[in-house]
Amino acid sequence: DIQMTQSPASLSASLGETVTIECRASEDIYNGLAWYQQKPGKSPQLLIYNANSLHTGVPSRFSGSGSGTQYSLKINSLQSEDVASYFCQQYYDYPWTFGGGTKLELK
Amino acid sequence: EVQLVESGGGLVQPGRSMKLSCAASGFTFNNYDMAWVCQAPKKGLEWVATISYDGSSTYYRDSVKGRFTISRDNAKSTLYLQMDSLRSEDTATYYCARGGELGYYFDYWGQGVMVTVSS
Repeated sequence: DIQMTQSPASLSASLGETVTIECRASEDIYNGLAWYQQKPGKSPQLLIYNANSLHTGVPSRFSGSGSGTQYSLKINSLQSEDVASYFCQQYYDYPWTFGGGTKLELK
Repeated sequence: EVQLVESGGGLVQPGRSMKLSCAASGFTFNNYDMAWVCQAPKKGLEWVATISYDGSSTYYRDSVKGRFTISRDNAKSTLYLQMDSLRSEDTATYYCARGGELGYYFDYWGQGVMVTVSS
C-alpha cells in the first residue's frame, strides 16, 4: 500500500497569514492526489483534486502543487472559517489511502 | 444540489451484522462510482469500499474483505453497505461519498452515520 505522510500534524497560525501543509507519498503517485477540509463535527469536503485543480465553489485562496512524491496545500490570507483538519489522499493506486491529517488552529 | 443521506447506524454486538444505506439526490446516480469511507473516533479517514457506476465492479480494503459487501440500486438511487461479522475495530463514522469524475477521489460526502460495535 502507498503510505501518505502529512506534516505538520498540527499548526497554529494568525488571521491573514499564509499556511502550507505538506504531504509525502511512499512512492510516485503521478499527481493522483486530493486535499480535503473537515471542520469540527462535519463531514470532509473536497478542496483540490489532481494535485492542483480547485473543486467547484472552493475559494481561490486555496491552492495545491507538487509532483512525484511531494505535494503541498497552500492557504493564502487565512480566514477564521479555515479552522479545520486537512487530509490528503492518493488515488493513483488501489487501495486509496489518506494522510494522517493536519489540525489547523488560530493563534 | 448533490445530497447524500446515510442511515442505518447504531450500536451492535461483536459478531453481528448491520446494513447502512445512502440515499442520493441532485445528480444522475447511475453515472458515478460510489464509495464508503470511515473515520474512527478522533482518528483519520480510511477508504472502505468502492462500487462502479453500474455495480459490475467492487473494491474493498483488506480488513473488510469477506465481511463487508457494497452494493447499489440505481433505480432507487441508493448505495448500501452490508457489514457482517462486525468487530470492535469497525467502530467508526461511516461516510457515503461520490466518486470523482477524473479519478478515485471523493467529490461529495454525506453527513455520516455512527456505527458502534460493543457488547
